[in-house]
Amino acid sequence: ETGVTQTPRHLVMGMTNKKSLKCEQHLGHNAMYWYKQSAKKPLELMFVYNFKEQTENNSVPSRFSPECPNSSHLFLHLHTLQPEDSALYLCASSYGDRGQPQHFGDGTRLSIL
Amino acid sequence: GESVGLHLPTLSVQEGDNSIINCAYSNSASDYFIWYKQESGKGPQFIIDIRSNMDKRQGQRVTVLLNKTVKHLSLQIAATQPGDSAVYFCAENTYNQGGKLIFGQGTELSVKP
Repeated sequence: ETGVTQTPRHLVMGMTNKKSLKCEQHLGHNAMYWYKQSAKKPLELMFVYNFKEQTENNSVPSRFSPECPNSSHLFLHLHTLQPEDSALYLCASSYGDRGQPQHFGDGTRLSIL
Repeated sequence: GESVGLHLPTLSVQEGDNSIINCAYSNSASDYFIWYKQESGKGPQFIIDIRSNMDKRQGQRVTVLLNKTVKHLSLQIAATQPGDSAVYFCAENTYNQGGKLIFGQGTELSVKP
């Protein structure tokens, strides 16, 4: 059990579809993160939100659109994705300060047909 | 058994032996370090952390060692069990990067019964 819940756990979509990934944290954290995890690669940070404000966009293509309505919820809206976007997408949360661990959800396994 | 971080991403040990997983971190200004465990189909799980004012920290069956001189971090697992089989990541936090973590590639630990 983690305090960070991601849905759906698996998603298969075509390149022309639009879908959204959802993340919810129950840890009272202020910061939320989206990561992409591809096979044999380190975690790639995509976006950071702190107190609902986006503080980092790590040169992510515009076909990925994040949304953070409050400190407990984070979404990743997907449209017109490419096959190379197939990966595990992980959400994490933390208190946002330096010297604090991030806590992860179990991810959404995304496959683009 | 012992691994050498990015150059040997897999480590195979016998059940009951001690395991040592190594990580070479990148930034001499990093002052907080975390080890995560990621089991198949799950997100990274926090194991143990250490701050740069310490050289060693112990948890339950795990010990983290920090050598700032050579920018090296290791995770020792005592009496390795089949349930320890997973990918292990180190992560570093630099003092001027807020809560942002930089992750290593990971080492896959396989425990033979």
